[in-house]
Amino acid sequence: GIQVEQSPPDLILQEGANSTLRCNFSDSVNNLQWFHQNPWGQLINLFYIPSGTKQNGRLSATTVATERYSLLYISSSQTTDSGVYFCAANNNNDMRFGAGTRLTVKP
Amino acid sequence: EPEVTQTPSHQVTQMGQEVILRCVPISNHLYFYWYRQILGQKVEFLVSFYNNEISEKSEIFDDQFSVERPDGSNFTLKIRSTKLEDSAMYFCASSVRGYTFGSGTRLTVV
Repeated sequence: GIQVEQSPPDLILQEGANSTLRCNFSDSVNNLQWFHQNPWGQLINLFYIPSGTKQNGRLSATTVATERYSLLYISSSQTTDSGVYFCAANNNNDMRFGAGTRLTVKP
Repeated sequence: EPEVTQTPSHQVTQMGQEVILRCVPISNHLYFYWYRQILGQKVEFLVSFYNNEISEKSEIFDDQFSVERPDGSNFTLKIRSTKLEDSAMYFCASSVRGYTFGSGTRLTVV
């Protein structure tokens, strides 16, 4: 199956800072999603983005499918952005997750 | 927005007991999945289900696990004889294109 790698594994920011999270995948994809796991363990879908760029408020994501990576941008970070961010992707098989980036935003 | 619903949200069970985790996928979705996440680790694929049969399963999904769609709306994961290492968050998902995940069932085996 597809391999998904995320970096960095941990990220600590001051409130108001910007950040970029990266996701590399080993094969072509027909689905790529970014999730935020909140403190209650819920997986909140942020973006469905197999290619191109999308924006939702302070968050945006870009997937360059030909180069097999996706980026999640968080601007003007807030303490409520803290948590683990997962990238997940699949091609013709079932979705596989990366190990996540644990983001801590300090006030 | 349509949701995937999972029950119960928490379950504590004795080692060796059977548990059934329940999910109601989004009504027009055709593909259903179970994933699990051991505390502090990555989300792992267990099994996918399409057209009333398993379409893919991981090496984790051994003979103690089974899935069923007993009616038109529910999708269940059964663990026949639970072990301590089955303690995890179990997520159900359904999809047409993108996946939608339920809120999870936290299973604790004691």
